[in-house]
Amino acid sequence: DAGITQSPRYKITETGRQVTLMCHQTWSHSYMFWYRQDLGHGLRLIYYSAAADITDKGEVPDGYVVSRSKTENFPLTLESATRSQTSVYFCASREDTITGELFFGEGSRLTVL
Amino acid sequence: AQSVTQLGSHVSVSEGALVLLRCNYSSSVPPYLFWYVQYPNQGLQLLLKYTTGATLVKGINGFEAEFKKSETSFHLTKPSAHMSDAAEYFCAVILIQGAQKLVFGQGTRLTINP
Repeated sequence: DAGITQSPRYKITETGRQVTLMCHQTWSHSYMFWYRQDLGHGLRLIYYSAAADITDKGEVPDGYVVSRSKTENFPLTLESATRSQTSVYFCASREDTITGELFFGEGSRLTVL
Repeated sequence: AQSVTQLGSHVSVSEGALVLLRCNYSSSVPPYLFWYVQYPNQGLQLLLKYTTGATLVKGINGFEAEFKKSETSFHLTKPSAHMSDAAEYFCAVILIQGAQKLVFGQGTRLTINP
């Protein structure tokens, strides 16, 4: 099916563990984004990518790592999870047009105990 | 400094009443402006956007927004609320000067009373 998919949808982990959230899109969009959503903060940009092998920091990148070896995939890794990283994470993609629509995945709810 | 501010984290209206969700931006140069909606347990989807041209923009599901440069505002309205409009609404901007990344407001949760 065409679209943008995230996995896992739900994840519970412990402090200090490594966690990877996956994001896959089928449109071959150039740009991909990772946001986190927290009550009172709206959505905050973690990292984004303009193309394969090109990534850049967003507003809140500390504690996160991304890679983009293929256009369609944009995994987000928490190298050593902390409780403050408990959040809902959204992946999004768009075409190479600055005013283009962002297409969002359904989100990954991460709980760090 | 916050680029975009949504006034009211929670708005409640009766079914059939006017919906007004407020959004103000802080930029000397008018940015590109967007409204996104998030239904429960889903990702966000675009309602409408303003880039250039006509300042009154019509979106999906009967929503519209008007860009007012003098008030640095982009308020979202719908003449008659429906139960299915209950969701969280996000105003977002792309500042033309600077990093040109989409920045979201804090969101407004809209509740519709029967």
